[in-house]
Amino acid sequence: DQQVKQNSPSLSVQEGRISILNCDYTNSMFDYFLWYKKYPAEGPTFLISISSIKDKNEDGRFTVFLNKSAKHLSLHIVPSQPGDSAVYFCAASATTGNQFYFGTGTSLTVIP
Amino acid sequence: SQTIHQWPATLVQPVGSPLSLECTVEGTSNPNLYWYRQAAGRGLQLLFYSVGIGQISSEVPQNLSASRPQDRQFILSSKKLLLSDSGFYLCAWGLFGARQPQHFGDGTRLSIL
Repeated sequence: DQQVKQNSPSLSVQEGRISILNCDYTNSMFDYFLWYKKYPAEGPTFLISISSIKDKNEDGRFTVFLNKSAKHLSLHIVPSQPGDSAVYFCAASATTGNQFYFGTGTSLTVIP
Repeated sequence: SQTIHQWPATLVQPVGSPLSLECTVEGTSNPNLYWYRQAAGRGLQLLFYSVGIGQISSEVPQNLSASRPQDRQFILSSKKLLLSDSGFYLCAWGLFGARQPQHFGDGTRLSIL
């Protein structure tokens, strides 16, 4: 059972515009969420995280929003750059657990 | 600072051959260690995780096994590889309780012929 879902396998955005990547989860015990960026043939790189006590966390061009009532989080990239083209994974964990649950990823293409 | 090493980077093996992938972490003590697989066009599937030496939890039934002979060493093995074992294998470490993200190695591309 997929507890973390990324329903959009791919997304294309023009350079300079906003990229919005979405993620949904089903387990109400999840209280820590992360986004990873992955280039082909490399391991995922941690991008940004958010705890359930917050609804927004910002780091430069990257902002993660958390809507706990909807069990939804999103990653905003503004402005998008060609170097942002990669696969983005969201992940979630619960305080009581020892593992993260990953979504299936969204492939972002930023068109110059 | 902490670093994670995973090798080999690529591996081509015939069906039925054994497998051993190794992962080591430096700069931290008693990390949680993880093996993931990313099959073509799929997400990250957790295969095994370990919270300490000799402690292995398996997430999916399969012909793979994992071992943790030392605190910062994690090994993924198989006695006989199947075609379905092809994929991109990733090792990761993390420290739970401290709300730290997992950090991944560069992965091993395994092709079974």
